[in-house]
Amino acid sequence: AQKVTQAQTEISVVEKEDVTLDCVYETRDTTYYLFWYKQPPSGELVFLIRRNSFDEQNEISGRYSWNFQKSTSSFNFTITASQVVDSAVYFCALSPRRDDKIIFGKGTRLHILP
Amino acid sequence: NAGVTQTPKFRILKIGQSMTLQCAQDMNHNYMYWYRQDPGMGLKLIYYSVGAGITDKGEVPNGYNVSRSTTEDFPLRLELAAPSQTSVYFCASSYSGMDYGYTFGSGTRLTVV
Repeated sequence: AQKVTQAQTEISVVEKEDVTLDCVYETRDTTYYLFWYKQPPSGELVFLIRRNSFDEQNEISGRYSWNFQKSTSSFNFTITASQVVDSAVYFCALSPRRDDKIIFGKGTRLHILP
Repeated sequence: NAGVTQTPKFRILKIGQSMTLQCAQDMNHNYMYWYRQDPGMGLKLIYYSVGAGITDKGEVPNGYNVSRSTTEDFPLRLELAAPSQTSVYFCASSYSGMDYGYTFGSGTRLTVV
C-alpha cells in the first residue's frame, strides 16, 4: 500500500525560529518520487520540491531544506529563520515510479507568529 | 502561457442539481487529474486521464463523471449534487513519468445546500 503520514496536524512557532515538518511514507516500490507542496491562505497549491528515490542527497534552497532518509522512510522539511509569509498548509506527497498519480498526506498547517 | 485554468472559482448548488467543473491546460500535458480537498483531509483523487479518450477512477469517484475528448480539456461532471460533495476541487496536469510533478489549477470552491 502507498501512504503518506504527516503526524503534525498544526504547528505554531514565533517568527525567526526554525521549524521542521515531518513526513513519513510507505511504499513497496523501489523507485518513487517524493514531493512537498505549499498551500498559502489564498488557496493555490505551489510546488516546492521533487526528490527521486535514488537521490538521498539533502537539498537546500534558501531558507528551505529537505532531509530524505530511505532507512526511516522519511522526507522532512525544515524552514530556517521562519517568516510570517511561511504560514501555510504544507503537503508531503508520494508517487511510485510505475504510477503517474500522486498520493498526498493530510497536510501540516504552519502558523508563524509575529 | 496560462497553465491550468479552472472555472468557476466558486459555486453554490442545490441538492440534486447538476454542474460541470471546467479544466483546461495549455502545456500539452498528457496527464490530467481531479482532486477534492476536504478540511484536514488532504487531497483525494477523484478521476484521472493519461491521454485523450482515456480516463480512470481514483480513490473517490462515486457521484462524479469525466470525459477527455481533447488533450487540453478535462471536465468533471456532478450529476446529482449532494452535501457530501461540498469541497474544494483542484484540477492538475503533468507530463508522464512524474519528472516534474503536477501543475495545479487555482481550485473551485463548491457548496451544496
